[in-house]
Amino acid sequence: GAGVSQTPSNKVTEKGKYVELRCDPISGHTALYWYRQSLGQGPEFLIYFQGTGAADDSGLPNDRFFAVRPEGSVSTLKIQRTERGDSAVYLCASSPTLGQNTGELFFGEGSRLTVL
Amino acid sequence: QQQVKQSPQSLIVQKGGISIINCAYENTAFDYFPWYQQFPGKGPALLIAIRPDVSEKKEGRFTISFNKSAKQFSLHIMDSQPGDSATYFCAAKATPLVFGKGTRLSVIA
Repeated sequence: GAGVSQTPSNKVTEKGKYVELRCDPISGHTALYWYRQSLGQGPEFLIYFQGTGAADDSGLPNDRFFAVRPEGSVSTLKIQRTERGDSAVYLCASSPTLGQNTGELFFGEGSRLTVL
Repeated sequence: QQQVKQSPQSLIVQKGGISIINCAYENTAFDYFPWYQQFPGKGPALLIAIRPDVSEKKEGRFTISFNKSAKQFSLHIMDSQPGDSATYFCAAKATPLVFGKGTRLSVIA
């Protein structure tokens, strides 16, 4: 596709359940980022990948959150034992570089997670 | 720890007026300062960006002013239009990109 694709666009789950959010970056982009955006807030960094490896996972709030990118393209953000406080829009972005020379990230439309 | 402080939280401007949004930062390692625009239900999209060795950058109606000594930068939208109504985020990069909390701009006719 032409842009970053995220699925599902909306996910409603119950407290304690497991969820997976998928991101398909722009073809050829080597860097992939996950951000979380709560209502009325700016995007908050979670993790970024350079290729298959997590280059920086310092933004993951706790060990219930995990992300993978096994083949260096599609990434999945996994949240275990969801809590109401996890409700937010999860944004994925990709970049054609390591991000060292440009700040431009190409964002998807996000996955809105609601934990009841 | 909020690395980029943005103000105001919301802004209402008359059509044709100038919209001004301000940001301040602390980390001198930041080397790139973009502004992103976000419409409801969409992801943020790059609007304009500047590097710290430049004091001003203009693209059409959008201008970034950068004050390195004060560690502040601002976005000016000239001749604001209703289509500019969106949320604007300043950001700064040392990898990864860190965002301000956003300014919701409403341009009214």
